[in-house]
Formats: sequence, structure tokens, C-alpha cells
Amino acid sequence: KAGVTQTPRYLIKTRGQQVTLSCSPISGHRSVSWYQQTPGQGLQFLFEYFSETQRNKGNFPGRFSGRQFSNSRSEMNVSTLELGDSALYLCASSQTLNTEAFFGQGTRLTVV
Amino acid sequence: AQSVTQLDSHVSVSEGTPVLLRCNYSSSYSPSLFWYVQHPNKGLQLLLKYTSAATLVKGINGFEAEFKKSETSFHLTKPSAHMSDAAEYFCVVSDPNSGTYKYIFGTGTRLKVLA
Repeated sequence: KAGVTQTPRYLIKTRGQQVTLSCSPISGHRSVSWYQQTPGQGLQFLFEYFSETQRNKGNFPGRFSGRQFSNSRSEMNVSTLELGDSALYLCASSQTLNTEAFFGQGTRLTVV
Repeated sequence: AQSVTQLDSHVSVSEGTPVLLRCNYSSSYSPSLFWYVQHPNKGLQLLLKYTSAATLVKGINGFEAEFKKSETSFHLTKPSAHMSDAAEYFCVVSDPNSGTYKYIFGTGTRLKVLA
């Protein structure tokens, strides 16, 4: 069974641009969560989706948004990029909300 | 509110010696607890999970952890370290009864294995 797939793996963007990251969960998984990983802040929760509904959102500005499609695939978007948005963005999927999460390899975003 | 404290940011052991990575948690309810490992430039791999069944949990690659409610601890151990164990380890708490299933991560422990 294929794991969680995140695309692209690497991105370089300029301040002020926007970016969309994609996540394909493990087949049959209906829950997708996103996390941001930085050296200074560690791993922080961004969003949690289940059956196309956002269940929870972390303490990030409104520039960070996401969505989940009917096939459980998810995207997150960051608008008006700032240097501080440079991070590894990790997507995780789980069968339901209350089961363990499996992580993708992440998208490394660099904002210059 | 939930929180996780990993007591050591760096741990060094010699190959073949035991590994102990310490984790304390704070949760209002009965939490789910996990250990994940992250190798350089990789995602997170689940090592083991505790979800209110047996307090001694066995995971992959010879790792195990013991849930001690009285000490609010969930330390990760391995009897004999291997060079391939060198990585960063994260202790995670999730508290479904709080209305959210999000993970709260510890700050990580970087394990170094010396030849």
C-alpha cells in the first residue's frame, strides 16, 4: 500500500508570492492533518480535516488555509509568503480521527 | 491543556548499549501517546503507540515504552543501540476526549550512536 505522498518535495518562492502544497493520503484514510516544522518552533499543528470538513485549526494567521477533497486528498495554501514561512510542511493521514497518523516525507518550502 | 516535555535534547550512547529517551506528558484526560522517529530529510515514522491498553508497549526495531500514569511518563527504551538508530525522536500526546485529535509534539531528542 502506498504511503502518504506530498508534492512537490521542494519549493523556492519569493516573499509576497503564494504557494499550494498537495497531500495524497494512504488509500482508505479519511483524515488528513498538516504540521509545520521549523528549527525554532519545532512541530506545530496547522489543520485537521475529516470528510472534507475542517475539524480544527492551529494558531496560524489567516494566510494559511487548506481544504480536503471528496477523495480525501488535501491541499494547503499560504498566501503573501514571508521569510518566516520557510519550513518543512508535513502532512499526515489516518483512517479516522482517533487512529494513529502516518506522515509523508514533507514539502520543504524556502522563501527568499 | 495537553503538553509534552522531552527531558533531553541530545542523547549519546555507544553502539550495543541501552537507549533511554525520556518523556513526560500533561493531559486532562486519558491520552493517547506516541513515539515517532525522524531520520535526516525524512518524514516521521511511527515507532509505537499507547492507547489505554497494555502499559508496556512494544514497537518496531526493538523499541518499547512504558506508560506510567502515576509519574505521567512515557519513556522510550531499547536494550541495544544500533548505528541506524541515530535520528531525532519525538514524543507525542493526543487527547481525543478534549474534542480534538491533533498531535502535540515534544521538542525532540536527537540520538547519537557512537561506534
